[in-house]
Amino acid sequence: IAGITQAPTSQILAAGRRMTLRCTQDMRHNAMYWYRQDLGLGLRLIHYSNTAGTTGKGEVPDGYSVSRANTDDFPLTLASAVPSQTSVYFCASSQQAGVSYEQYFGPGTRLTVT
Amino acid sequence: TQLLEQSPQFLSIQEGENLTVYCNSSSVFSSLQWYRQEPGEGPVLLVTVVTGGEVKKLKRLTFQFGDARKDSSLHITAAQPGDTGLYLCAGARWGNTPLVFGKGTRLSVIA
Repeated sequence: IAGITQAPTSQILAAGRRMTLRCTQDMRHNAMYWYRQDLGLGLRLIHYSNTAGTTGKGEVPDGYSVSRANTDDFPLTLASAVPSQTSVYFCASSQQAGVSYEQYFGPGTRLTVT
Repeated sequence: TQLLEQSPQFLSIQEGENLTVYCNSSSVFSSLQWYRQEPGEGPVLLVTVVTGGEVKKLKRLTFQFGDARKDSSLHITAAQPGDTGLYLCAGARWGNTPLVFGKGTRLSVIA
């Protein structure tokens, strides 16, 4: 069982380019999440999905979009990348949305926008 | 405004020492989780505490949830280099709202 996979592992992207970060889980979890992690700012939620077909905005959604067409995949798209989006991006999933459920994290994607 | 405040932000100690890190809020949470993150990896859950006043032990790690469900602490006894990492607390509110993470405590245990 792979758990959560993210691709690419790292990427250098020119400002203004469009980029999709991929996230796939094989645990049949209902809820999925995208975070960015920056030094001194901790983990900040970008978007989330409580179940396939639904999405919600987190703390820092501007400049990002997501879709949840099926249970397993939760891609994150940067429509027009800016340098402030340089960060490490983590995808996570949990069995259900809501309290007490463990979140399982992927290995992260390190994105540099130049 | 940070909903969950963790302290200290950084901690460097010698192997064998004891330490406590704190996670505080002015808000009440239905449960609180602690995660550990090692360099280059995603966070991994250590424990979930759900009852006010609850104490859970995981080998040399002791976790406590405050009586008022607004704060939590993590105490490590006889720290080892393998304890090095970023410790994150995360609070769950009621309903299907996502977890709220603190900024973390970065622990370095020197042999």
